[in-house]
Amino acid sequence: EVQLLESGGGLVQPGGSLRLSCAASGFTFSYYAMTWVRQAPGKGLEWVSAMSGGGNTYHADSVKGRFIISRDNSKNTLYLQMNSLRGEDTAVYYCAKAPKYDFWGGDWFDPWGQGTLVTVSS
Amino acid sequence: QSVLTQPPSVSGAPGQRVTISCTVSSSDIAAGYDVHWYQQIPETAPKLLIYSNSNRPSGVPDRFSGSKSGTSASLAISGLQPEDEADYYCQSYDSSLSGWVFGGGTKLTVL
Repeated sequence: EVQLLESGGGLVQPGGSLRLSCAASGFTFSYYAMTWVRQAPGKGLEWVSAMSGGGNTYHADSVKGRFIISRDNSKNTLYLQMNSLRGEDTAVYYCAKAPKYDFWGGDWFDPWGQGTLVTVSS
Repeated sequence: QSVLTQPPSVSGAPGQRVTISCTVSSSDIAAGYDVHWYQQIPETAPKLLIYSNSNRPSGVPDRFSGSKSGTSASLAISGLQPEDEADYYCQSYDSSLSGWVFGGGTKLTVL
């Protein structure tokens, strides 16, 4: 069974940094692209960042220059380094698996982890 | 402003059929990118319901169906059940944004 388990969320002050992790199991992690999606409290879903199996990265304009997505295939883990955090970054962050090694635009995300809450507040 | 527009809410009685629309405002999406649907029960992670416009993943009941035509996609749920009460999101890709986009979500209430 494919499982994704996020961790690393918490309370951080504006301007601070946080690194999220997503531990994957039940599939050959290095063979698949992965993504991060977030959901602000009471709001809808917002795509954040994505990384192909080969290491190509993509970021939403709202986080470009502040967030860095990476992966360690030896540890079956996806990361999201979040810097210069703002109040509007407060959200539950989900990692999800893409259907293939590379992204092609028409991708869907399945499955999703249970999410980790990031709160940016002083 | 999302490039994928959904109604904020829909409702139906048990056993009825409801549809949720997802209107595409990007010509790129209308031109060729697929639309996917997710179900999110409150306080849980989203779950893939329909992929590539009309395909159901294994385990999703055939009460759920999807379609796409031109600038509009739809999710239909027949034989409504109380456990269908959830938020539903459509998703696609926008090449002008170079990223994946979600609709604003539709809250389904089973009366």
